[in-house]
Amino acid sequence: KAGVTQTPRYLIKTRGQQVTLSCSPISGHRSVSWYQQTPGQGLQFLFEYFSETQRNKGNFPGRFSGRQFSNSRSEMNVSTLELGDSALYLCASSRSGAVYEQYFGPGTRLTVT
Amino acid sequence: GDSVTQMEGPVTLSEEAFLTINCTYTATGYPSLFWYVQYPGEGLQLLLKATKADDKGSNKGFEATYRKETTSFHLEKGSVQVSDSAVYFCALSATGGGADGLTFGKGTHLIIQP
Repeated sequence: KAGVTQTPRYLIKTRGQQVTLSCSPISGHRSVSWYQQTPGQGLQFLFEYFSETQRNKGNFPGRFSGRQFSNSRSEMNVSTLELGDSALYLCASSRSGAVYEQYFGPGTRLTVT
Repeated sequence: GDSVTQMEGPVTLSEEAFLTINCTYTATGYPSLFWYVQYPGEGLQLLLKATKADDKGSNKGFEATYRKETTSFHLEKGSVQVSDSAVYFCALSATGGGADGLTFGKGTHLIIQP
């Protein structure tokens, strides 16, 4: 079956702009989690959605937001981009929400100039 | 808060060598522990897991044992191959539920030379 897909795979934006990243989970999966991966901070949890509800959010500023649609697809938005937002953004989906059932997508590489 | 500490490397070994990547954690309660692997240009793949003390997770020749007394979850493999070259992440989940997210270590870059 198809895996987790993320679009776009690569993105270049300018400071101050906003960006929207998309994640399509595996069919039947209702939970989507987002992570930011940077060389300095490593992998950090952004937020998790289950059946269109955000259940938890990591320690990120309000510029980072997300949503989940009724078909379980999820988007995350970063407003007023900063250079430090350059990162690989990973999403993961699972059927029940359990972390050991999560499948990760290949990520979106965001570069802020 | 919860944290995971692992050797960052790079760790360079010859093919067929024995591998150990150390991982220790700090958490309240009884977390679930995981090892993930990331190949170049790809997302993370769950390698193995352990959900309670003394559990041993294993997959593809890799093993790790949940040691509560030493708060450790070291990854081992008896004979590594060139195809094992990747970045390995140790992680924990406070409850096992996705809503809590995973807390990751910084990752260990493993290079296997033929």
